[in-house]
Amino acid sequence: GAGVSQSPRYKVAKRGQDVALRCDPISGHVSLFWYQQALGQGPEFLTYFQNEAQLDKSGLPSDRFFAERPEGSVSTLKIQRTQQEDSAVYLCASSLGLAGYNEQFFGPGTRLTVL
Amino acid sequence: AQKVTQAQTEISVVEKEDVTLDCVYETRDTTYYLFWYKQPPSGELVFLIRRNSFDEQNEISGRYSWNFQKSTSSFNFTITASQVVDSAVYFCALSEARHTGGFKTIFGAGTRLFVKA
Repeated sequence: GAGVSQSPRYKVAKRGQDVALRCDPISGHVSLFWYQQALGQGPEFLTYFQNEAQLDKSGLPSDRFFAERPEGSVSTLKIQRTQQEDSAVYLCASSLGLAGYNEQFFGPGTRLTVL
Repeated sequence: AQKVTQAQTEISVVEKEDVTLDCVYETRDTTYYLFWYKQPPSGELVFLIRRNSFDEQNEISGRYSWNFQKSTSSFNFTITASQVVDSAVYFCALSEARHTGGFKTIFGAGTRLFVKA
């Protein structure tokens, strides 16, 4: 398909486990975003990539969260030593250009449950 | 600091009623962009409309219309003759350039719209 894809769609982790969430953006999209969406809330910004450069990681909640996009396409969000408060839907979005006016295309999200 | 407020948590209407979803934003920038996204029960957010801070012209697209007023920092969204398929969560968002490069988007908490047949 031509949309943003994310895997896995659902992930259950035991507290303390490390998890890795994958995002495949739309081909050719320069900008890539990660968001965290808690139940009943709007997406909360985590981090932003422009090609392979991580220009903004101000939204990452702690140093347990790490994101990369080494070749400027696929991105991985890693959470180390997961905690219950990390339970949420993690959304990935991509946009064609570099400017704020470009709309973002969202993936279906990964629902993470930490037991 | 950026902030987007959607004061209506849930709205319930009967099919064919008109409904307006409110959005109020805060920013210190003079250049910014406002968006509305729809999140249907399937979960994926879908872009509806964009407005830049210099364009206060209202827009109509079919049953959807948007009213942008800088004087009140509002960007409200109206659905005319609502349909059951309009049932979803609607998010208002604000995008601003960052000094680090690129831009950051802040979303409101969303308004859940129920349209009953």
